[in-house]
Amino acid sequence: SQTIHQWPATLVQPVGSPLSLECTVEGTSNPNLYWYRQAAGRGLQLLFYSVGIGQISSEVPQNLSASRPQDRQFILSSKKLLLSDSGFYLCAWSPPPRLAVTYEQYFGPGTRLTVT
Amino acid sequence: AQSVTQPDIHITVSEGASLELRCNYSYGATPYLFWYVQSPGQGLQLLLKYFSGDTLVQGIKGFEAEFKRSQSSFNLRKPSVHWSDAAEYFCAVGGEYGNKLVFGAGTILRVKS
Repeated sequence: SQTIHQWPATLVQPVGSPLSLECTVEGTSNPNLYWYRQAAGRGLQLLFYSVGIGQISSEVPQNLSASRPQDRQFILSSKKLLLSDSGFYLCAWSPPPRLAVTYEQYFGPGTRLTVT
Repeated sequence: AQSVTQPDIHITVSEGASLELRCNYSYGATPYLFWYVQSPGQGLQLLLKYFSGDTLVQGIKGFEAEFKRSQSSFNLRKPSVHWSDAAEYFCAVGGEYGNKLVFGAGTILRVKS
């Protein structure tokens, strides 16, 4: 069966510091991968998605970037954090297009980021 | 463009009572529809999905949802709510943007004993 991991689970970082959040998926190949952010009291905002290694689509211009160095690894980064980057970050995966029937996504446990 | 509306931000029900969470979508073709549940501090868990066939779909944890094309709705129901059902529920629609989903703003369910 497939499993998705995110780490760290929680993170407190000062303004201006760098960020690296990691997401890995087990049990599948060539998944589509997604980064979402949930701000307090708000819904899910899609930040990035990837259909393959090195292929990243950005949904919202911002202080963050994403990379996919390996098939099942997705990294969210920032060079200098802003207060507004605080939130709950969720990684998700979906089957690759050749296997996708209904486009459902499966979510990781999330990372709580607090920028101070 | 696809969109999802969850009209109720908060809903409070008594334990043992029935539950219906509303979801309306906007999409010209047949949508792929989903309900997710999120407990505080956790990721989203897929409850159920609809993409074709029987318009009444069964999911995990005793939930079901009914697709009504004429009303552009996909409401989530449970006949008897348990205290452990307290969580936030998200409706989502897919199909127009390939592998991307559009999520509603969520409904927070409170269960009172």
